[in-house]
Amino acid sequence: DAGVTQSPTHLIKTRGQQVTLRCSPISGHKSVSWYQQVLGQGPQFIFQYYEKEERGRGNFPDRFSARQFPNYSSELNVNALLLGDSALYLCASSWGVTISGNTIYFGEGSWLTVV
Amino acid sequence: QKEVEQNSGPLSVPEGAIASLNCTYSDRGSQSFFWYRQYSGKSPELIMSIYSNGDKEDGRFTAQLNKASQYVSLLIRDSQPSDSATYLCAVNTNAGKSTFGDGTTLTVKP
Repeated sequence: DAGVTQSPTHLIKTRGQQVTLRCSPISGHKSVSWYQQVLGQGPQFIFQYYEKEERGRGNFPDRFSARQFPNYSSELNVNALLLGDSALYLCASSWGVTISGNTIYFGEGSWLTVV
Repeated sequence: QKEVEQNSGPLSVPEGAIASLNCTYSDRGSQSFFWYRQYSGKSPELIMSIYSNGDKEDGRFTAQLNKASQYVSLLIRDSQPSDSATYLCAVNTNAGKSTFGDGTTLTVKP
């Protein structure tokens, strides 16, 4: 079975531009979460979606938005990019949102560099 | 105070030794706990999950949880050079959101 797939794997953007990152969860998983990982730090929670509804939002500015589609895939959008947005963006999927079903599995990530 | 704290590291052990990685968390409502391994330039990979107080063993890995002390640890027995990586502790305080520590970098020397 395919794991969590993300695209693109690497991208370079200029300050002020917008970026869209895409994610397909593990087959059968209905929840998708997005994390930002800056070098030397652990992943920071951005969003969680379950059954197309936002279930959680981390401490990120409104420039960050996301959505989940009927097939459970998801997009993360970041507007007005800043140099500090340079990071590894991780998508994670889980079966559900119950305690027993919320183990998250990460994709390979999208490396974003803002210049 | 960070919600999840790990040994600052780096931690270096000789091949064949036991590596001990520690993690404390601040939210007493936390219910599920995870250890991930992250190789340089790669995404985190789930190693262990633990939900109840006590020990949970999987091969060379043992996770230990003490909710009263708000402490979770990972022991790696017979450490191998391939175990050299950053180990991330994650805690779920409410379903769906995992809060991560900043990781401990482990080096296993041949």
